[in-house]
Amino acid sequence: DQQVKQNSPSLSVQEGRISILNCDYTNSMFDYFLWYKKYPAEGPTFLISISSIKDKNEDGRFTVFLNKSAKHLSLHIVPSQPGDSAVYFCAASATTDSWGKLQFGAGTQVVVTP
Amino acid sequence: NAGVTQTPKFRILKIGQSMTLQCAQDMNHNYMYWYRQDPGMGLKLIYYSVGAGITDKGEVPNGYNVSRSTTEDFPLRLELAAPSQTSVYFCASSRLSSNQPQHFGDGTRLSIL
Repeated sequence: DQQVKQNSPSLSVQEGRISILNCDYTNSMFDYFLWYKKYPAEGPTFLISISSIKDKNEDGRFTVFLNKSAKHLSLHIVPSQPGDSAVYFCAASATTDSWGKLQFGAGTQVVVTP
Repeated sequence: NAGVTQTPKFRILKIGQSMTLQCAQDMNHNYMYWYRQDPGMGLKLIYYSVGAGITDKGEVPNGYNVSRSTTEDFPLRLELAAPSQTSVYFCASSRLSSNQPQHFGDGTRLSIL
């Protein structure tokens, strides 16, 4: 049973515009959420995270929004740049579930076009 | 500035062979994890370790074994390789268990033929 879902396998956006990636989760115990970025032939790289005590976290061009009642989070990239072309994974964990185990979504392939 | 190092990067095995995927981290992290990623899927946890001598099963442990004799190393052993184990394997580590990002190696691409 997939507890973290990214329903859009791909997203194409023009350079300079906003990219919005969505993620839904089903486990109400999840209280820490992360976004990872992955280039081909490399491992996932941590991008940004948010704890359930917040509804927004910003880091430069990247902002993550959390809607706990809807069990939904989104990643906004503004403005999008060609180097942002990658696969983005949403992940979640529950602090009550020890050892920091992460559940991952299937990923969204982002392509930024000139 | 190595971080998490995985070897080998690529390997082809025959059905029934065995091998060990190596993972080492130089960040003095206590927590280490092994994931596999199949095409079009997210990463699934195979095994994890919370310190030297302490390991436990994740979501998909069948066909694998691990050991953790030092803080730095966390090898993953495949016994009797099967085609279903064809995947990309990622090792990760983190400083603490809660609310800390995991840092990943670049993966081992394994094909079982």
